[in-house]
Amino acid sequence: EVQLVESGGGLVQPGRSLKLSCAASGFTFSNYYMAWVRQAPKKGLEWVATISTSGSRTYYPDSVKGRFTISRDNAKSSLYLQMNSLKSEDTATYYCARHGRLLDFWGPGTMVTVSS
Amino acid sequence: DIQMTQSPASLSASLEEIVTITCQASQDIGNWLAWYQQKPGKSPQLLIYGATSLADGVPSRFSGSRSGTQYSLKISRLQVEDPGIYYCLQGYSAPYTFGAGTKLELK
Repeated sequence: EVQLVESGGGLVQPGRSLKLSCAASGFTFSNYYMAWVRQAPKKGLEWVATISTSGSRTYYPDSVKGRFTISRDNAKSSLYLQMNSLKSEDTATYYCARHGRLLDFWGPGTMVTVSS
Repeated sequence: DIQMTQSPASLSASLEEIVTITCQASQDIGNWLAWYQQKPGKSPQLLIYGATSLADGVPSRFSGSRSGTQYSLKISRLQVEDPGIYYCLQGYSAPYTFGAGTKLELK
């Protein structure tokens, strides 16, 4: 059974950093692109980042480019999102997702609140 | 960036009724289109991928279709467990973009 479990969310002040993790199991992690998607409270879904199987290629929307970094450790079946220079508009639930048939499996999410 | 215009924003339907939700892409995305269902407090669940293929375990009353750059999700006979918010996603090119969502309620 495919499982994705995010961790690392919490309350952080504007301008500070936070690193999210996603533990994957139930599939061969190294064979799949992986992604992060976020959802602000009561809002829609926004794609945040995608990483290739080896980690050599990464993709971001303009809203987070230069501030967020996606990475992975295939030996640990883990995905990460380093978030720097956080803004109030980054407040959201962050989901880890497998990039199989588009985004075919999602974790339950971890909440990030950016506030002073 | 590719824009996905989803409609309607909300709808209310009765049990056993046919429901259709559409997404209009701002340019050609081929079949790189997926549909998701999200229930309150839960993560999105994949329903349809490749515009028309049913994801594993999804009931056959859900179906997807494509006409040019317009994509549709159809629920053939609405059931009590189907209310939620439905989203389309284009995966043709980055930045990948979602539709704004359709809130489906039971009448």
